[in-house]
Amino acid sequence: ETGVTQSPTHLIKTRGQQVTLRCSSQSGHNTVSWYQQALGQGPQFIFQYYREEENGRGNFPPRFSGLQFPNYSSELNVNALELDDSALYLCASSLGTGSYGYTFGSGTRLTVV
Amino acid sequence: RKEVEQDPGPFNVPEGATVAFNCTYSNSASQSFFWYRQDCRKEPKLLMSVYSSGNEDGRFTAQLNRASQYISLLIRDSKLSDSATYLCVVTWGSGNTGKLIFGQGTTLQVKP
Repeated sequence: ETGVTQSPTHLIKTRGQQVTLRCSSQSGHNTVSWYQQALGQGPQFIFQYYREEENGRGNFPPRFSGLQFPNYSSELNVNALELDDSALYLCASSLGTGSYGYTFGSGTRLTVV
Repeated sequence: RKEVEQDPGPFNVPEGATVAFNCTYSNSASQSFFWYRQDCRKEPKLLMSVYSSGNEDGRFTAQLNRASQYISLLIRDSKLSDSATYLCVVTWGSGNTGKLIFGQGTTLQVKP
């Protein structure tokens, strides 16, 4: 059984650019959530996908968008990058509502300069 | 008021000490409760779920008080390897929208 994998592990982008982060969910998990973790803070919920549909969103602007594919892998896209977007982006997968917990990937550390 | 509040610490304790972390949450409709552990620059990992009846896993004991909207984690006989940030987490949502709401995290440093 494979865990959650994310790519790339590190990324440096320039303000105004666009970025795509990728996540492969744990085998058997059909729900993927994305989180942003700024330094010294807890992760903040961005959005969640269940069976290829977005079914929950946090307080993030529309320039944060995503996709979930039939194999339950997922992408997070961020347009018009801002300096404050610099953070660790975490993907988590679960089965359904995650009542039994979520499995996190090791994250993508994004730096916007 | 933050949705999930924790004392950020840091808690500096000697090996063998007992340490307790507290957490409060604002949404009475919260459905599931967890403690996650996060090592420096790593992803959060599930430490344990928290149940109303209280539950124990080795040196770790978690308690939930739904009436007070309060969660706790007790670590007995602290080890150096327990040094990490402990995140209090609740979920709430209907259907399949159980998003995780994290506290800021409490940092524990266990010293020899």
